[in-house]
Amino acid sequence: DGGITQSPKYLFRKEGQNVTLSCEQNLNHDAMYWYRQDPGQGLRLIYYSQIVNDFQKGDIAEGYSVSREKKESFPLTVTSAQKNPTAFYLCASKGRSYEQYFGPGTRLTVT
Amino acid sequence: GQSLEQPSEVTAVEGAIVQINCTYQTSGFYGLSWYQQHDGGAPTFLSYNALDGLEETGRFSSFLSRSDSYGYLLLQELQMKDSASYFCAVREGGSSNTGKLIFGQGTTLQVKP
Repeated sequence: DGGITQSPKYLFRKEGQNVTLSCEQNLNHDAMYWYRQDPGQGLRLIYYSQIVNDFQKGDIAEGYSVSREKKESFPLTVTSAQKNPTAFYLCASKGRSYEQYFGPGTRLTVT
Repeated sequence: GQSLEQPSEVTAVEGAIVQINCTYQTSGFYGLSWYQQHDGGAPTFLSYNALDGLEETGRFSSFLSRSDSYGYLLLQELQMKDSASYFCAVREGGSSNTGKLIFGQGTTLQVKP
């Protein structure tokens, strides 16, 4: 079945450590997105990529980095520079339709 | 700035009809989407309106008025499983079609027996 996978579902890290969240899709979509969601809030765009080897900053890119070396993969690194990294992180992809397909998310807790 | 406004909470009873409104103020506009998110889960796409008018998909309908920068999601014959958060999202306009979405804060719908 086609879809988006994110791993792990839950992630715990100590403050000061970088952590990389995985996002893989087998939908053959060109565009991929990373969002952050805080409790009771909407989704805020961190980074997006419209094509392999290219990506742009979203609204809250500071403290995050991404890469897009393969069409299927769009990993997100939460660096120690991100001041409030604890959040629910959602990855999405989009093909030619208007719909964005979301992965199950990774809940990151930094203490 | 860019902003979307929607009510934070709505409560309704099973079998009823509920309307969730969304007003937006954005620098560019291609269309308005609606997504459903159950607690702790992934958002799922419900509908998309690019033109004025009503789009119907089963028990859910979505409306758009571009002149009023306003849209709504209408849920009919409410079921307990409809209890979730509903987000409106504007597909950003501009010279390049990035597919970027700007999300509202979400409306938590509670359906009671």
